[in-house]
Amino acid sequence: QKEVEQDPGPLSVPEGAIVSLNCTYSNSAFQYFMWYRQYSRKGPELLMYTYSSGNKEDGRFTAQVDKSSKYISLFIRDSQPSDSATYLCAMRTQETSGSRLTFGEGTQLTVNP
Amino acid sequence: GAVVSQHPSWVICKSGTSVKIECRSLDFQATTMFWYRQFPKQSLMLMATSNEGSKATYEQGVEKDKFLINHASLTLSTLTVTSAHPEDSSFYICSASGANYGYTFGSGTRLTVV
Repeated sequence: QKEVEQDPGPLSVPEGAIVSLNCTYSNSAFQYFMWYRQYSRKGPELLMYTYSSGNKEDGRFTAQVDKSSKYISLFIRDSQPSDSATYLCAMRTQETSGSRLTFGEGTQLTVNP
Repeated sequence: GAVVSQHPSWVICKSGTSVKIECRSLDFQATTMFWYRQFPKQSLMLMATSNEGSKATYEQGVEKDKFLINHASLTLSTLTVTSAHPEDSSFYICSASGANYGYTFGSGTRLTVV
């Protein structure tokens, strides 16, 4: 069983839709959670970083963490064609520079104009 | 914000030759650098972790003699693919991490071995 499970999609939505992306994890030691966006043939860029259970909002993006259920989500409101990318969840056990990230498979999202 | 520069962005080489990929943290000191490999439509696979001035720690199944990693300074790490073969063709991405910074990724290097 993978430590982090993420539906690879692909997911296709119309412009303006609300997008929900999710990951589940099995390792209860994961304490820090991130969402990255990766455009084709580019490196991942950090979208959201959360620690506590609950919601964190940044513009059109909301990250949600439920540690009791080992479930994290990323919501994108008013989705735009420029949001078309692969979204990767990532998590780690410690907040030190040397601690490794464990990634989900990534969900490929297409927002159609 | 933190910026990581990775070069080259793409490279084509002949089978049997070696290729060096550079990863530089431009505005922060990267105490740890990570090297990943990514196949099409797949997630990032961690190859190795390197700390400045120390030998890299390789993940299981990664050939340390084929993928040479050097982290000689707090701003530069290199990955050398030695005696490259077509099966080494992939997208290689570095990530740098330092005090008070999260993980910043380079833009990736697409390696094609012909």
